[in-house]
Amino acid sequence: EVQLLESGGGLVQTGGSLRLACAASGFTFSRHAMIWVRQAPGKGLEWISGLRGSGDPTFYADSVKGRFIISRDNSKNTLYLQMNSLKAEDTAIYYCAKSGLGSSVFGVVEDWFDPWGQGTLVTVSS
Amino acid sequence: QSVLTQPPSVSGAPGQTLSIPCTGSRSNVGAGYDVHWYRQLPGTAPKLVIYGNNKRPSGVPDRFSGSKSGTSAFLDITGLQAEDEGDYYCQSYDTSVGVSVVFGGGTKLTVL
Repeated sequence: EVQLLESGGGLVQTGGSLRLACAASGFTFSRHAMIWVRQAPGKGLEWISGLRGSGDPTFYADSVKGRFIISRDNSKNTLYLQMNSLKAEDTAIYYCAKSGLGSSVFGVVEDWFDPWGQGTLVTVSS
Repeated sequence: QSVLTQPPSVSGAPGQTLSIPCTGSRSNVGAGYDVHWYRQLPGTAPKLVIYGNNKRPSGVPDRFSGSKSGTSAFLDITGLQAEDEGDYYCQSYDTSVGVSVVFGGGTKLTVL
C-alpha cells in the first residue's frame, strides 16, 4: 500500500524556520515526482513546490520562492520542505503528494497527484 | 484568487444530478491540459475522484464522471447521495510563467 506520512509541523515565530518531512512507502520513491501543497485555515489548496524523482530541478510558487527549499533523500524515501523566513500567511496544513501518472519528471501536464499524506499543521505566530 | 474558477457552493437533493464547473484559460485548461478532481472531507486530506478529465480511480462510483470542453471542465454527479458531501477541487497545470500546478478554489457540495 502506498503511504505518505508528513511530520515536522508545529508552532514557530514569525521569521523563524521549520523543516517538514514526508516519509514514503509502498512504491519506488526515486521514480516519482513529488509535490507539496498547503491549505490555509478555511481556504483552498495551494501548490507550493515540486521536484522530479532525481531531485533536480525544483519548482516553486511565487509565494514561497526564495524562502522555501524542496529536496529529497531517495536513500531514505523521504521528501523535505525547508521553510525559512516564515510569515503569518504561511500558516497552513502542509500536504505532500505523489505523481499519480507515475512520472519521474515534474511538470508533465497530464499529471495528477495520488495519494496525499495526512498533512502536518504549521502555525506561524508573532 | 485561484487560477481555476469554481463556484463556492452547490447543493442538491438526494437522487438529483449535479454539475460542478471549473473554468480556466488558454494557459491551462484551454491549452488542452488534463483536469483532475479531488474530494476533501473535513479534517482529511484530498482524495482523487477523477483523473485525466474523465477517468475514475478504482473504488469511485460510476455516478461520478468528468468532461472537458474548451477552457472549462465539469464534474458531474448523478443520483446524488448524502455521502457525496464534501469540498471538491479541480486541478490542472498552467504554463503562463514557467510550469505550475494550479487548483480551483473549491466547491462545497451539500446534499439537502
